[in-house]
Order: sequence, then structure tokens, then C-alpha cells
Amino acid sequence: QQQVKQSPQSLIVQKGGISIINCAYENTAFDYFPWYQQFPGKGPALLIAIRPDVSEKKEGRFTISFNKSAKQFSLHIMDSQPGDSATYFCAAGDYKLSFGAGTTVTVRA
Amino acid sequence: SQTIHQWPATLVQPVGSPLSLECTVEGTSNPNLYWYRQAAGRGLQLLFYSVGIGQISSEVPQNLSASRPQDRQFILSSKKLLLSDSGFYLCAWSVRPGKTEAFFGQGTRLTVV
Repeated sequence: QQQVKQSPQSLIVQKGGISIINCAYENTAFDYFPWYQQFPGKGPALLIAIRPDVSEKKEGRFTISFNKSAKQFSLHIMDSQPGDSATYFCAAGDYKLSFGAGTTVTVRA
Repeated sequence: SQTIHQWPATLVQPVGSPLSLECTVEGTSNPNLYWYRQAAGRGLQLLFYSVGIGQISSEVPQNLSASRPQDRQFILSSKKLLLSDSGFYLCAWSVRPGKTEAFFGQGTRLTVV
């Protein structure tokens, strides 16, 4: 069964715009929520992560928002750049991770 | 610093042939090790994970097996490949205990023909 649901499947944003990707999880035992960025033909790279004791974490242009009661979390990419074009995966877990299906982001110049 | 090596990068194998993919981690001891498979346009499916030498947990019953002969070596194998085994295979590691940041290798693109 899919423990992490991710949406949208794909999105297109103009350069300078905001990209928003949403994820929802089922297992309340999950205590770690990372986001990964993957370029074609490469392995995923850890982008940013959050634990459930905080509601928001920001690193540069990337922000995670976390809603524990709703069991949802999201990634916001501010001032999107063409180099941000990639597939983004959310994940959730404890000692092992369950991944969302991924969102392909295309930033148009 | 820690690095993870995974090879080969690409592999084309006939149906029914054996498979061996290798992954090694440098710069850390006693890592958790993972094998994931990524089908085209889909997310990552956890296949196996290991918390120590000889300790393997299987997540999905299938045609594959994993072994951990050394602390920082993880091997994915099959005796007879199926067409459905095609995909992008990723090895990953994480630090124990408690933390679950997973760091991925560059992957192996396996095509079974």
C-alpha cells in the first residue's frame, strides 16, 4: 500500500515563480520527512528535511511546511530557476523511508 | 567524507541470465544499507535493507535477493532475470542509530531483453 501520496504528478512554472508540491502520509509513527531532488539518469540527492517538532524549515529558496495534525507536508520552491527543473520526491519514515511517486518540475525561462 | 559507489552504471541482460549489482560505501562504519528500484516515471520502491553483516530484510517478495558480505558492501542478485526486473536500481546508505537521511548512489539502469 502507498504510505506517502504526492501531488501533482508534474508542474510547469515560469522562471521566478513559486513551485508547490504536496505530500500526505498515513503512519503517525513517521518522524522524519525529507525531500529529494533527482536529475535524469542520476540518483536522488537530499534537498531538505524536517522533523515533526517544527512546522516550517527554510533553506535558501526551499521551504518545507509541516502540518502534523493533518499528516501533510509540502515543499515550496521560491524564485524558481531553470536549474531547478528536476523530479522531486517526498519521503517519510522512521528507520526506513517510504517515498512518494514524484513530481516532475519544469521551469520555463 | 562519505561516498557511495555503485556499478555498473548501465547493464543489458537477456531474460534468464543471472544478475549481480554491487554497492560499496566509504568513510563510515556500520551503515544501514538499502536497495531501491525505480520504475520509469514512478517513485522509489524499497527492495531490501540491512542493518549489519549478514542481516537482510526483504520488503517485496520477488525474483531478487541481497547479501551483505562485508560491513560496507551490499550486493543485489538474481539467478534468472525476468523482463519485469528492468528498471533503475539505487543503492543507499544511512547512519545508525536513529537518523534516516538516506544518501543514494548514482544508480544502475538495468534493461532485460
